[in-house]
Amino acid sequence: GAGVSQSPSNKVTEKGKDVELRCDPISGHTALYWYRQSLGQGLEFLIYFQGNSAPDKSGLPSDRFSAERTGGSVSTLTIQRTQQEDSAVYLCASNLWGGVNQPQHFGDGTRLSIL
Amino acid sequence: AQTVTQSQPEMSVQEAETVTLSCTYDTSESDYYLFWYKQPPSRQMILVIRQEAYKQQNATENRFSVNFQKAAKSFSLKISDSQLGDAAMYFCALLVSGAGNMLTFGGGTRLMVKP
Repeated sequence: GAGVSQSPSNKVTEKGKDVELRCDPISGHTALYWYRQSLGQGLEFLIYFQGNSAPDKSGLPSDRFSAERTGGSVSTLTIQRTQQEDSAVYLCASNLWGGVNQPQHFGDGTRLSIL
Repeated sequence: AQTVTQSQPEMSVQEAETVTLSCTYDTSESDYYLFWYKQPPSRQMILVIRQEAYKQQNATENRFSVNFQKAAKSFSLKISDSQLGDAAMYFCALLVSGAGNMLTFGGGTRLMVKP
């Protein structure tokens, strides 16, 4: 596809379960970002991948959160032992090579609801 | 650390009129970029306009323009000839060069357009 693709669009799960969220960036984009948007809030940075470099994990809120990016393309954000405060929209973005003068292109996000 | 503040949770404008959304930011760095993103109910973040801090001239994109006051750390968005399709959440964002390439977002302003 032409844009950033995220799946699933919506996810409902019980507290304590693990969830995986997927992001497929724009073809050729080497930089990939995950953000979290809690209800009525702005976006909060979680993690940033650039090529083969070690990811910047400085925004991950706890060790229950992890992410990986296989083959420099698709990324998976995993939340273990989910809590109700994890309920949010998780947005993924990509740009060509992480340059500061390049706009980040966003997907439609995954709305995660923890019961 | 960087912060972005949007002091107007909601704004309303009559169709065809002009509205200005406010944003202030704080950073100790001199090399940075400022952005306005639009988020319709579809959740996708759409880049509206961006401004390089080193440029004195205010950015414009068709009906959208900014008033960038670097000394005051203010970055407001003006929407002229408002249209019904402009109704959305608007987020101001800051990206500091060399600080990990992640965007720091404000809390957003919900813009309503009255026919």
